[in-house]
Amino acid sequence: KAGVTQTPRYLIKTRGQQVTLSCSPISGHRSVSWYQQTPGQGLQFLFEYFSETQRNKGNFPGRFSGRQFSNSRSEMNVSTLELGDSALYLCASSFGQGYGTETQYFGPGTRLLVL
Amino acid sequence: DAKTTQPPSMDCAEGRAANLPCNHSTISGNEYVYWYRQIHSQGPQYIIHGLKNNETNEMASLIITEDRKSSTLILPHATLRDTAVYYCIVRVPGSSNTGKLIFGQGTTLQVKP
Repeated sequence: KAGVTQTPRYLIKTRGQQVTLSCSPISGHRSVSWYQQTPGQGLQFLFEYFSETQRNKGNFPGRFSGRQFSNSRSEMNVSTLELGDSALYLCASSFGQGYGTETQYFGPGTRLLVL
Repeated sequence: DAKTTQPPSMDCAEGRAANLPCNHSTISGNEYVYWYRQIHSQGPQYIIHGLKNNETNEMASLIITEDRKSSTLILPHATLRDTAVYYCIVRVPGSSNTGKLIFGQGTTLQVKP
């Protein structure tokens, strides 16, 4: 079974621009969660989508948004990029319906550099 | 979800067992213990999880104390490829927060030749 895939893997943007990252979950998984990882703050939860609805949200400004499509693929968008948004963005998927112990599986991440 | 405490770093000789401790003294009865690891700049990799019984899979063993206030991840024969940051997380699967993992700083395991 294919794992979680994320595109693009690397991205360079300038301040003020916006960016869209994509995540395709493991087949059959309906929950997609997004995380930001920086050297200073570590791994931080951004938000989770399940059945096209945001189910959980972390403590990030409104510039960070996401959506999920009917096929469970998810995108996250960051508008008006700041230098501090440079990070590794990770997505993880799980069944999301209380099946078993709901293990989350992570993708390889998208490394974003804001100049 | 309960907070976990892990030592920031540990060393282990190649071929020896690596024992990584985790303290979760405020764990509640329905919270599971999960372990993930992250090799430099890659996505975290799921290792193992458990509720109260000891668990073993092809990657590792998980020993949970009887009072469930702490656990130990055991890599039986560490190799250089096991060098990574190891995260211990406790959570309630199937809860409203099921899709939200809270990561601490983890333990950086350095396996040395």
